[in-house]
Amino acid sequence: AQRVTQPEKLLSVFKGAPVELKCNYSYSGSPELFWYVQYSRQRLQLLLRHISRESIKGFTADLNKGETSFHLKKPFAQEEDSAMYYCAGSDSSYKLIFGSGTRLLVRP
Amino acid sequence: DAGVIQSPRHEVTEMGQEVTLRCKPISGHNSLFWYRQTMMRGLELLIYFNNNVPIDDSGMPEDRFSAKMPNASFSTLKIQPSEPRDSAVYFCASTIALGTSVYYEQYFGPGTRLTVT
Repeated sequence: AQRVTQPEKLLSVFKGAPVELKCNYSYSGSPELFWYVQYSRQRLQLLLRHISRESIKGFTADLNKGETSFHLKKPFAQEEDSAMYYCAGSDSSYKLIFGSGTRLLVRP
Repeated sequence: DAGVIQSPRHEVTEMGQEVTLRCKPISGHNSLFWYRQTMMRGLELLIYFNNNVPIDDSGMPEDRFSAKMPNASFSTLKIQPSEPRDSAVYFCASTIALGTSVYYEQYFGPGTRLTVT
């Protein structure tokens, strides 16, 4: 079955420290992968997608097909990065499968 | 643009009552999704509409749940009768989909927090 796994419910780091939010997927074939973010009192919104290979707000994510991972990384965390992060995958259909989410807390 | 609009934002009702959640997608979007978010199961797709037609309702939990999209600018999700286990946050999202691809960003509404006592 298609599955997206985020093993960490909470990740706490200090400002300026590197951040890595883990995401593993289980799909037959090559899925399209996304990271969505929900800041406090705001809507869930797209942060970045694998196909674009872009860096948004300093975050990047690399698809590792060997490890079936799509970890989200940022070299220096900022307090405003504190939010709920969701990894999601699609098998090129309309359906997005979301991970359970990781809450990132960046301490001053 | 106000984005995807959902109402009500909060709903508290008693078990057995009918609940109707409403969604207005972004103008020009042709695809609409209803999701449910719970602590136990995370974010789950309930139903997907494309050009106002339900394409996939396999995520709808049971017959107590129904969804309609009478036109391109309005959709409802109805629970009748409601049960305590239906308590969750219900999100609506919309996008422009060409064919069946979800490579296009989904825009989410603020959600409706439903509590059934």
